[in-house]
This record gives sequence, C-alpha cells and structure tokens, in this order.
Amino acid sequence: NAGVTQTPKFRILKIGQSMTLQCTQDMNHNYMYWYRQDPGMGLKLIYYSVGAGITDKGEVPNGYNVSRSTTEDFPLRLELAAPSQTSVYFCASSKTTGVSYEQYFGPGTRLTVT
Amino acid sequence: RKEVEQDPGPFNVPEGATVAFNCTYSNSASQSFFWYRQDCRKEPKLLMSVYSSGNEDGRFTAQLNRASQYISLLIRDSKLSDSATYLCVVNTNAGKSTFGDGTTLTVKP
Repeated sequence: NAGVTQTPKFRILKIGQSMTLQCTQDMNHNYMYWYRQDPGMGLKLIYYSVGAGITDKGEVPNGYNVSRSTTEDFPLRLELAAPSQTSVYFCASSKTTGVSYEQYFGPGTRLTVT
Repeated sequence: RKEVEQDPGPFNVPEGATVAFNCTYSNSASQSFFWYRQDCRKEPKLLMSVYSSGNEDGRFTAQLNRASQYISLLIRDSKLSDSATYLCVVNTNAGKSTFGDGTTLTVKP
C-alpha cells in the first residue's frame, strides 16, 4: 500500500512551458486535492475532486487544469508556466466517513519556473 | 480577512513547557476540523481531529468552540521532537479544505 505518490519530485521549467504533475492513490479514496505551498505559508487549495469525473475549483485555480478520469489518478496540468507558479505542490486524498475528511498527502513536487 | 487564521508565532519554548496554539475560522458552515503537523520540507501529516467534546491524545489536547468559531491545540511537556509547524485545517461538508498559514514551534533543550 503506497498511499499517495507524486511524480516528479523536482522540476525546473522555463517560462511558457507546460507540464503535468502526476498523482496516484491506492487507498480507494473518493476525494482528491491539489495544493500549493509557497515558502513560509500554509497550503492553498488549487482544485479538488469528490469522485471520478467531478472536479471543482479551490482558492487559486488560475493557470492550472485538472481531470479525474479514474478514482486513483488526479493529474494537475500547468499551461504556460510563470515564475509565480514556483512552489511546492502537494496532492492529497481522503476517505469520507460522515463529515470526516482526514487527508493523506503525497511527498510533494518542488517546481521552479525561471 | 482570511478564512482560517492562526497565531503567527514562532513559538520558542524550553523542553517540558506547555504551549497552546489558537486558530479561528470565518465560515460558519464548516463541519470538520483538524490539526496537522508539518516538518521542514515534508508533507503535512494528520496530528489529530478536533471534536466539539474535545479530544486528547497523550500530551496533545484539541478543543473546538463552534459558537466562537475557535480551535485550539495544547501540547504539554514539550519534547525536542515536537519542533515543527502546526497547521489548522477546516473543512466544509462539501469536502473543501482550508488551511491556516501554520504556527512554527521550536522546542529548545
């Protein structure tokens, strides 16, 4: 049981390039999330999904896209990378038991845009 | 105003001290509440859920006051290994999560 896995661990992009951050969970969780964390700050929600085929915007969705075709995978797409997208990106998933949404996080992807 | 606000910290305390962190939230529709711990350059990990009745796990006690929209975390008998950033998290019933900016704790010998 690997939990939540993210690839790549590190990436350097040039301004204007695009990339996809991969996230996979093997816990059969319905809910999945993408966050970004800037230095010294908390996590900001980019997008989340309550199940396959359903996604919704979080606090900071601009510049990103997501899809959720399976329960396991929730990739995050960056189009036209900008320096403001330099950050650490965390994917998370949670099971739903009543109102409990304890989240399990992947190890993160450290992205630098120059 | 931020949806979730935490004590800015940092907190620097000696081993054995008791330290308390506070968190307030603005969305009265919030349904579930958590404290996460984050070590430097690592992913957050769940420390404990927070219930209206309060809950305790060893040296850690969490309290929720729905009327005041306030959450707290108390750490007794601090250990060096408690040094980390503590994140307050508030969820709506629709599954949307909001994190506070975190409070950094350093426990010194």
